[in-house]
Amino acid sequence: DAGVIQSPRHEVTEMGQEVTLRCKPISGHDYLFWYRQTMMRGLELLIYFNNNVPIDDSGMPEDRFSAKMPNASFSTLKIQPSEPRDSAVYFCASSPGQGRGYTFGSGTRLTVV
Amino acid sequence: KQEVTQIPAALSVPEGENLVLNCSFTDSAIYNLQWFRQDPGKGLTSLLLIQSSQREQTSGRLNASLDKSSGRSTLYIAASQPGDSATYLCAVEGNTPLVFGKGTRLSVIA
Repeated sequence: DAGVIQSPRHEVTEMGQEVTLRCKPISGHDYLFWYRQTMMRGLELLIYFNNNVPIDDSGMPEDRFSAKMPNASFSTLKIQPSEPRDSAVYFCASSPGQGRGYTFGSGTRLTVV
Repeated sequence: KQEVTQIPAALSVPEGENLVLNCSFTDSAIYNLQWFRQDPGKGLTSLLLIQSSQREQTSGRLNASLDKSSGRSTLYIAASQPGDSATYLCAVEGNTPLVFGKGTRLSVIA
């Protein structure tokens, strides 16, 4: 298995632009998570899905952030419009079920200038 | 709300030393605890997963223990090597998805 695949690895964009991050979970994993990592706050959960349905999006910082999971093999995290304070590393993770451990992707390093 | 604390925040040791990293959590109602390794600029690699019913897990030179009632876990690294240098993250899963500590940054000096 190729693991959790995220794209792009790096993204540099100008303030105000739309940014879309992509994630392909491990096949057969029913749960998908989006986390954000910053030096100040560490790793924080943004949103998670179970069987493609969003379960908890209380970690999404603002309405500028949105996430979708149109099918079991693909999810997107969109920021529109982007701001410099959104600069961080965004990780996607998947899990086969509660209590069964998570596998993380390599992350997307986002820089908004 | 679950909170996870890791101490120390940073640790520097000479090669060959045995060392212990500590993790504590506030809510003992957990499914499991997972230790990860993160190299600079890289993703998270899972090291050990301890279910709430287990007391410890071992993988090679790594041994992780879990005391759920006291809200504590330790990661023991035997005979440390420069290649062990990384940030080690502890995370717990309970009624909410994984909650992470801030990590311990380990440097093993040759």
